[in-house]
Amino acid sequence: EIQVTQSPSSLSASVGDRVTITCRAGQSINTYINWYQQKPGKAPKLLIYAASNLQSGFPSRFGGSGSGTDFTLTIVSLQPEDFATYYCQQSYTSPWTFGQGTKVEIK
Amino acid sequence: EVQLVESGGDLVQPGGSLRLSCSASGFTFSSYAMHWVRQAPGKGLEYVSAINSNGGSTFYADSVKGRFTISRDYSTKTLFLEMSNLSADDTAVYYCVKDLREWELLGVFHSWGQGTLVTVSP
Repeated sequence: EIQVTQSPSSLSASVGDRVTITCRAGQSINTYINWYQQKPGKAPKLLIYAASNLQSGFPSRFGGSGSGTDFTLTIVSLQPEDFATYYCQQSYTSPWTFGQGTKVEIK
Repeated sequence: EVQLVESGGDLVQPGGSLRLSCSASGFTFSSYAMHWVRQAPGKGLEYVSAINSNGGSTFYADSVKGRFTISRDYSTKTLFLEMSNLSADDTAVYYCVKDLREWELLGVFHSWGQGTLVTVSP
């Protein structure tokens, strides 16, 4: 099983801030990393797939990068609707595994 | 519009069994791999099981292997998860999830249902 380590577990930021969340895989997974956004009481939503492909419906202030073992989700200018929990997930091989999540809170 | 509607969640005693269902609409059900992903209360996401588009291949997390069985019915466009020998560790919201692309089991969780709660408690 490929371990996926996400950091930080939580962060406080203000509207307009640049936010970076990182994800590290236990072995090289090429670009088989995906990011999800989950708001309280709601199902997760696919945000970015294959490391850098923005899912339809999400604004371009969200971006993903990385390959191999290290990946980054960046929100270039945090908006009020972006306060949520974000998860990375490797789709390189089953069992597909998630990071522990990063809760983005309002400062 | 893709719709996935889970049902079957309930309170069950340890050692008990339960069957979850997921009714799919808004897409060609037979063309997509499907998954179950769960989330324990206040915790993160955990992959549970997957089935490919033709039903010929199934995958399970080690934590449920031998106890859970995933299946699908193309005539009713329904995904199932049969769960047995349940324990408190299985308490979670169970999400039905559609994969990203037709015909491929990518493990990219594209569309999610609203979830159904399974509580395992005496």
